[in-house]
Amino acid sequence: DSGVTQTPKHLITATGQRVTLRCSPRSGDLSVYWYQQSLDQGLQFLIQYYNGEERAKGNILERFSAQQFPDLHSELNLSSLELGDSALYFCASSVEPWGGFNEQFFGPGTRLTVL
Amino acid sequence: AQSVTQLDSHVSVSEGTPVLLRCNYSSSYSPSLFWYVQHPNKGLQLLLKYTSAATLVKGINGFEAEFKKSETSFHLTKPSAHMSDAAEYFCVVSARSEAAGNKLTFGGGTRVLVKP
Repeated sequence: DSGVTQTPKHLITATGQRVTLRCSPRSGDLSVYWYQQSLDQGLQFLIQYYNGEERAKGNILERFSAQQFPDLHSELNLSSLELGDSALYFCASSVEPWGGFNEQFFGPGTRLTVL
Repeated sequence: AQSVTQLDSHVSVSEGTPVLLRCNYSSSYSPSLFWYVQHPNKGLQLLLKYTSAATLVKGINGFEAEFKKSETSFHLTKPSAHMSDAAEYFCVVSARSEAAGNKLTFGGGTRVLVKP
């Protein structure tokens, strides 16, 4: 158990809908990252927050957004969902925003299925 | 910019025989390197990380990796495979740069099958 929690575990929804994925980082970690794992794209970095501020952006679509709250939990919002958004979404956390050997701890993921 | 290439998408070994998973990387910065493992329907678990203190890195469950800067490689090995090693393995690079943040770039993954 990494100490990172994600809810829900599974989510099934329809095209055009909007969903929110939630992540709680390990105790003491200030940095939260979101990743998408799909069969065709592999594992891709989406976005990073550190202590409430956006820190780095990856291949995140404009239909997706995220935020980190004062209690450090984070939410990833996916809107106008398309079939291709079906994937496993991981959250990870680390102590610092960057720094060489600063490993990330991954949650169990949320599996999103768009029908 | 950084990238990771895992040279084998699938590796099949017999239980008790050595495992070799190959990884090459490129990075504009002095990189940090990691190997993560993902068991079916599970999250990612860190196996080991390169800290620049030693080129041969030992990880959990008997795995180790050797950093070779001249070859830009970070291959993962285990002397004797166990059935529980069947999983997908990811080689990962992280730029050690404040400008780049701490984003991880993943290789395509190597799926390991262990035969009894």
